[in-house]
Amino acid sequence: RKEVEQDPGPFNVPEGATVAFNCTYSNSASQSFFWYRQDCRKEPKLLMSVYSSGNEDGRFTAQLNRASQYISLLIRDSKLSDSATYLCVVRTYNNNDMRFGAGTRLTVKP
Amino acid sequence: DADVTQTPRNRITKTGKRIMLECSQTKGHDRMYWYRQDPGLGLRLIYYSFDVKDINKGEISDGYSVSRQAQAKFSLSLESAIPNQTALYFCATSDFGGDRENEQFFGPGTRLTVL
Repeated sequence: RKEVEQDPGPFNVPEGATVAFNCTYSNSASQSFFWYRQDCRKEPKLLMSVYSSGNEDGRFTAQLNRASQYISLLIRDSKLSDSATYLCVVRTYNNNDMRFGAGTRLTVKP
Repeated sequence: DADVTQTPRNRITKTGKRIMLECSQTKGHDRMYWYRQDPGLGLRLIYYSFDVKDINKGEISDGYSVSRQAQAKFSLSLESAIPNQTALYFCATSDFGGDRENEQFFGPGTRLTVL
């Protein structure tokens, strides 16, 4: 079983739609959680950290459920420029490295 | 100019050849990482370094070695390349201390093909 699992998609949505991605992790000792964005043939870049109380950054909302070991990302009012692969990332302080999900691919269409 | 650079950007080589991938950074970060990315598997950590001469194995270090001779440079070597090392390789850096450790900054990637 992969340590971080994501629905690979692809998610194809029209502009203006709301779309949600889910991610589950297997290591209960995981301490920090993130969403990274990776454009086609480019490097990953940090989109947002995920806090226990949930957090919002403009049209993006991230949620964490430690009991279910589940992370989500909600994108409201999708833009064409949101088209990318979204990587769920989990960090465990015990081994001090990050584990990446395989990513969920989003395409926003006009 | 990019903060994290990788050379070469693309490389095609043959089985058994020795390959070195270079990474340089101008961010002044102490921590550097090498990952490989394969379709359907996500990024997997190969090696990481927290300081000059500090080397730590990651999730998939077999078949690879690294060298950290200077703060700004971290090189990855494949002593005898094999076809299943065909992948996209990323170098990354991060700062030290508290939340600053959480964000990793990636280079543009090196696409390696082993025939």
